[in-house]
Amino acid sequence: AQSVTQPDIHITVSEGASLELRCNYSYGATPYLFWYVQSPGQGLQLLLKYFSGDTLVQGIKGFEAEFKRSQSSFNLRKPSVHWSDAAEYFCAVGARGGYQKVTFGTGTKLQVIP
Amino acid sequence: NAGVTQTPKFQVLKTGQSMTLQCAQDMNHNSMYWYRQDPGMGLRLIYYSASEGTTDKGEVPNGYNVSRLNKREFSLRLESAAPSQTSVYFCASSEPWTATNEKLFFGSGTQLSVL
Repeated sequence: AQSVTQPDIHITVSEGASLELRCNYSYGATPYLFWYVQSPGQGLQLLLKYFSGDTLVQGIKGFEAEFKRSQSSFNLRKPSVHWSDAAEYFCAVGARGGYQKVTFGTGTKLQVIP
Repeated sequence: NAGVTQTPKFQVLKTGQSMTLQCAQDMNHNSMYWYRQDPGMGLRLIYYSASEGTTDKGEVPNGYNVSRLNKREFSLRLESAAPSQTSVYFCASSEPWTATNEKLFFGSGTQLSVL
């Protein structure tokens, strides 16, 4: 069965600092990978996705993620964090065919301090 | 463009009461989903509907029923609410997956407390 692990429950960074959120997955084949962001009181919004091709993918709001097959990882990065990036971030892994085949991680809550 | 609309936003129930969570999308999406979100557990799929007229169980369907009323609407019913169903519920919709269409659109959620 597929699974996804986000080892950091809560991360605090200073505004302007770089950010890396970790995501490790378990999946039998080449996975479909996603990062979603949830602002307080809102539903989730897609940041970026990886299906195939270039292992470094760019997303919205200046985020990027790198697929590393050898490490079963799909870490999310941003070079300079803004206060508006404070939110909860979810990694997800799954198979082609629909979100019924996608498993979400438990989330990492990002706090940004001035 | 409203996207995915859920009602109500907040609800408090007593154990044993029933209620229906409503969801409607105006994007003409085929697929619709109900998730619950609990602290430390992420999102878990309750039920989904791949197309109008079909529904299937997700990871945590016990205690819930759904109805895909038409292409726009997908409701979630709790027949006899239990405290374990205290959660935030999200409805979402998507198009069938293609090379560029793999995106879930979420409603803003329903915060449900069962006392």
